[in-house]
Amino acid sequence: ETGVTQTPRHLVMGMTNKKSLKCEQHLGHNAMYWYKQSAKKPLELMFVYSLEERVENNSVPSRFSPECPNSSHLFLHLHTLQPEDSALYLCASSQAPGQGGYEQYFGPGTRLTVT
Amino acid sequence: SQQGEEDPQALSIQEGENATMNCSYKTSINNLQWYRQNSGRGLVHLILIRSNEREKHSGRLRVTLDTSKKSSSLLITASRAADTASYFCASGGSNYKLTFGKGTLLTVNP
Repeated sequence: ETGVTQTPRHLVMGMTNKKSLKCEQHLGHNAMYWYKQSAKKPLELMFVYSLEERVENNSVPSRFSPECPNSSHLFLHLHTLQPEDSALYLCASSQAPGQGGYEQYFGPGTRLTVT
Repeated sequence: SQQGEEDPQALSIQEGENATMNCSYKTSINNLQWYRQNSGRGLVHLILIRSNEREKHSGRLRVTLDTSKKSSSLLITASRAADTASYFCASGGSNYKLTFGKGTLLTVNP
């Protein structure tokens, strides 16, 4: 699709499960993002990593834990989620703004359902 | 307008017609971007306009920016059924953060 892949595409998990979402970008970018998209709400930025360091964390509950082992990979570890966490989780990448690149390239998303 | 107020929230037109969507933002910006999202999929970047630009074209897309009114518009000319999607504007500052609106759902009827 856009050079950003996400797995799995669909995930159903119970409230006591632990799972991880994976994102990989093939665009040579150095910033990666996690967004949450819920019905009838604007896209919510969750985390931003630049050069593998977290630069933004928008008061996200600790049951969401990001990991960025290198500039091409981003994970979102999930544990003891709530039903209201059901949403489409989108990963994106970009060049760092300081390098003049602002466009974000999104993956297809993971549709998460918490039962 | 987006960012809390859609203008319009939904728009339904016939193929061949033009579609105009509006967006407002609240703080000073470095750039304003437009994205498209097909149902349940990821967002696709369409166009970026910088704060010192007033108008930008890309194919059938025309974007305007009025920083004095903190507003932008996206015009899609000669629409096609394949343009059916949700369209989002996102305001960007000098950091990493983009602030997205709730989107306009465009339906183009064949």
